[in-house]
Amino acid sequence: GQNIDQPTEMTATEGAIVQINCTYQTSGFNGLFWYQQHAGEAPTFLSYNVLDGLEEKGRFSSFLSRSKGYSYLLLKELQMKDSASYLCAVRGTNDYKLSFGAGTTVTVRA
Amino acid sequence: DTEVTQTPKHLVMGMTNKKSLKCEQHMGHRAMYWYKQKAKKPPELMFVYSYEKLSINESVPSRFSPECPNSSLLNLHLHALQPEDSALYLCASSQTRGKYEQYFGPGTRLTVT
Repeated sequence: GQNIDQPTEMTATEGAIVQINCTYQTSGFNGLFWYQQHAGEAPTFLSYNVLDGLEEKGRFSSFLSRSKGYSYLLLKELQMKDSASYLCAVRGTNDYKLSFGAGTTVTVRA
Repeated sequence: DTEVTQTPKHLVMGMTNKKSLKCEQHMGHRAMYWYKQKAKKPPELMFVYSYEKLSINESVPSRFSPECPNSSLLNLHLHALQPEDSALYLCASSQTRGKYEQYFGPGTRLTVT
């Protein structure tokens, strides 16, 4: 089975940095995705990690440690539009199946 | 074009109605997905089609019937639904190699009365 944990809520100030952690215990591992979902909208792809290390994409970075079953998503220079739910999802042995964490709601305050 | 489209955006139906949700993509993806999402919960996988064949059915009740008429289209036929089936229904598509990154449509907000 799959067990994916991430914090429920985080609050940060505009312009600050927030780090969303995700830990996972899965029966297989073929990559970890981060998605952003604004309320009432579809999830949009942010990042993908399959090897250990840091992937940087503009203001967003994602890190993976496979030995620790751990990933984080780093959001820099926070903007009000970054207020959303952030979903960690692991692809296991079945390429088509993503196991999602419950999501972390990030609120950015002025 | 990285767009997945879904119709209708909103649907209200009674428990005795029959309706269909539609999904379309033109990215050449050969895998298409249906998810159900309740408020403040992550998406739950329902069905996966790969090369127009049903590949995964996550033990979904038979009142939900998927159909993949061709590589660009995916339908979800609904019949005799229950109020607890009210949710956001998301369609997604992906390639069948590499990252298998899923692109999601905007969803259909379904209310069963």
